[in-house]
Amino acid sequence: TQLLEQSPQFLSIQEGENLTVYCNSSSVFSSLQWYRQEPGEGPVLLVTVVTGGEVKKLKRLTFQFGDARKDSSLHITAAQPGDTGLYLCAGDETNAGKSTFGDGTTLTVKP
Amino acid sequence: ETGVTQSPTHLIKTRGQQVTLRCSSQSGHNTVSWYQQALGQGPQFIFQYYREEENGRGNFPPRFSGLQFPNYSSELNVNALELDDSALYLCASSLEGYGYTFGSGTRLTVV
Repeated sequence: TQLLEQSPQFLSIQEGENLTVYCNSSSVFSSLQWYRQEPGEGPVLLVTVVTGGEVKKLKRLTFQFGDARKDSSLHITAAQPGDTGLYLCAGDETNAGKSTFGDGTTLTVKP
Repeated sequence: ETGVTQSPTHLIKTRGQQVTLRCSSQSGHNTVSWYQQALGQGPQFIFQYYREEENGRGNFPPRFSGLQFPNYSSELNVNALELDDSALYLCASSLEGYGYTFGSGTRLTVV
């Protein structure tokens, strides 16, 4: 069973601070996705990373895929209350037809 | 383009009963995956359908079954409901397994 461990589990910060959340596995994934989920809603895809070492930026969010394609990080600059939510990472195994999700990081950004 | 639509949004069933959850995939998508998300956890993969055929299955018992129709909509059926089946059931559609779009889910409560 492929496992994805996310850390920290909970994070509470003030508006304007920077933060990094992590997604780690002992397994190699063909691609990895980051999602944000709000209460009562389904996860919304933020980014997909495919190449080891890849860095993608989405406004104040920076995503990095590890060189060995086993881990990833999400860095948020100058966090805002609207960034509050559950951040999930999910890895795809080649030809497995499924995504394996971590249990997420619950981020709270206080005004 | 329309997103992924799931019905019903909420459902209460009694232990031992059977339930059918429905999902209309996003226009143009041919792949549908179903996930179970318990409170405080990440989504757990149930199974995936690609062009009406099952294309991968997670560690769920046979009483969890599914269908995909020619229009790529899908159903999740659960027989002999147990209390632990209470969860948010998420459907996600994609084109050829890339870039999943999730629905808002069906909240199932088994009493």
